[in-house]
Amino acid sequence: DTGVSQDPRHKITKRGQNVTFRCDPISEHNRLYWYRQTLGQGPEFLTYFQNEAQLEKSRLLSDRFSAERPKGSFSTLEIQRTEQGDSAMYLCASSVTGLGEKLFFGSGTQLSVL
Amino acid sequence: GIQVEQSPPDLILQEGANSTLRCNFSDSVNNLQWFHQNPWGQLINLFYIPSGTKQNGRLSATTVATERYSLLYISSSQTTDSGVYFCAARNLIQGAQKLVFGQGTRLTINP
Repeated sequence: DTGVSQDPRHKITKRGQNVTFRCDPISEHNRLYWYRQTLGQGPEFLTYFQNEAQLEKSRLLSDRFSAERPKGSFSTLEIQRTEQGDSAMYLCASSVTGLGEKLFFGSGTQLSVL
Repeated sequence: GIQVEQSPPDLILQEGANSTLRCNFSDSVNNLQWFHQNPWGQLINLFYIPSGTKQNGRLSATTVATERYSLLYISSSQTTDSGVYFCAARNLIQGAQKLVFGQGTRLTINP
């Protein structure tokens, strides 16, 4: 059990550029979540996958955001035409369906849009 | 959707003190978890506790689902307990899978 892995750890980009983040969940976990956290706030839900199906999306997830989880393994979150308001920590979490569904978080990707 | 409120927002204590953190939620829940975010930003799962009481070392948690609150107890605080503690809950609306987080309680333990 190597935990949830996220890459990159930090990303600095210029406004208008596209960025992509990767998340590798714990290997036996079928559920994967993306959250966003800004300074001084709790994590905000963005989207949720069960296996390869994206089953829930937040209103926060504008059409500039897209997430995928091909083959139900790793996931990617892409932000197109980044804006300064996208600057935040992007967190990935995974869990397994069933009793005691605990969420395990990765270390996050800190995005800074200049 | 469900609302999650935590109190107090900030708590400053001396090493060795005990503390109680509170989480109120607005709807029935089928999933409630407590997390600790350390100063490096890593979120660590402390408890999955939709009801009842659990203990893990110096930490314990109690959820009274019928009254819509949960408490996290930290005894004999250590400086390493510093950080932000989050409560997160999921309500019983069919199909809703997201955990909604509170704003957190920032705990500072001074030596």
